[in-house]
Amino acid sequence: QVQLQESGPGLVKPPETLSLTCAVSGGSLTSGNNYWNWIRQSPGKGLEWIGYFFSSGTVTVNPSLRGRVLISVDTSKNQLSLRLSSVTAADTALYYCARGRLSGDSFFLDYWGQGTQVTASS
Amino acid sequence: QSVLTQPPSVSGAPGQGVRISCSGSGSNIGNKAVSWYQHLPGKAPKLVIYYDDVLPLGGSGRFSGSKSGTSASLAIGGLQFDDEGLYYCAVWDEFLGAYVFGSGTKVTVL
Repeated sequence: QVQLQESGPGLVKPPETLSLTCAVSGGSLTSGNNYWNWIRQSPGKGLEWIGYFFSSGTVTVNPSLRGRVLISVDTSKNQLSLRLSSVTAADTALYYCARGRLSGDSFFLDYWGQGTQVTASS
Repeated sequence: QSVLTQPPSVSGAPGQGVRISCSGSGSNIGNKAVSWYQHLPGKAPKLVIYYDDVLPLGGSGRFSGSKSGTSASLAIGGLQFDDEGLYYCAVWDEFLGAYVFGSGTKVTVL
């Protein structure tokens, strides 16, 4: 059973950098054809996919956030990380990490963490 | 504004069924398989359908999915109060190069 747990500072001052980690258990970050994703939900809005780290080492980021997002892994801790630079109030959201799988032409997220709230405010 | 359009809300009485539509285009639904997620208040989103119409292991048989052309739909049968929440369709968009979620549909059990 894959389990994910996000953690982070809770409050970030614009225009600083937001840093989050996702502790993964029951699954390997660097094997098994897994896609390790970050997704967020802003207040009153729907879900927004941020990007993923594929177990081969490939990182793919939502073009709408490209240039501000860095996704990486720490294999010694089996943790996924997200860094989002130059934050604004618009980055206030509940941030989730999730495992992604690809079956044929179906990409889906089958395990999710509980999420961590981030508020961007001075 | 999402590239996948869902109705803002649907409702039904306990025991009845509801259907949620998801309209996209040839660069997403028309070319890739759709997944559906249930997001209940205070909980993490949960996968309820993938590959257009496949139930995850251990998933509830009250959920079913279908797709035709550039539109997909999720049906929920035998509505229960525990089903109240938001439901999202999602699919990879080849033009955008991103995984996109629908605008979300709120299910209310009357």
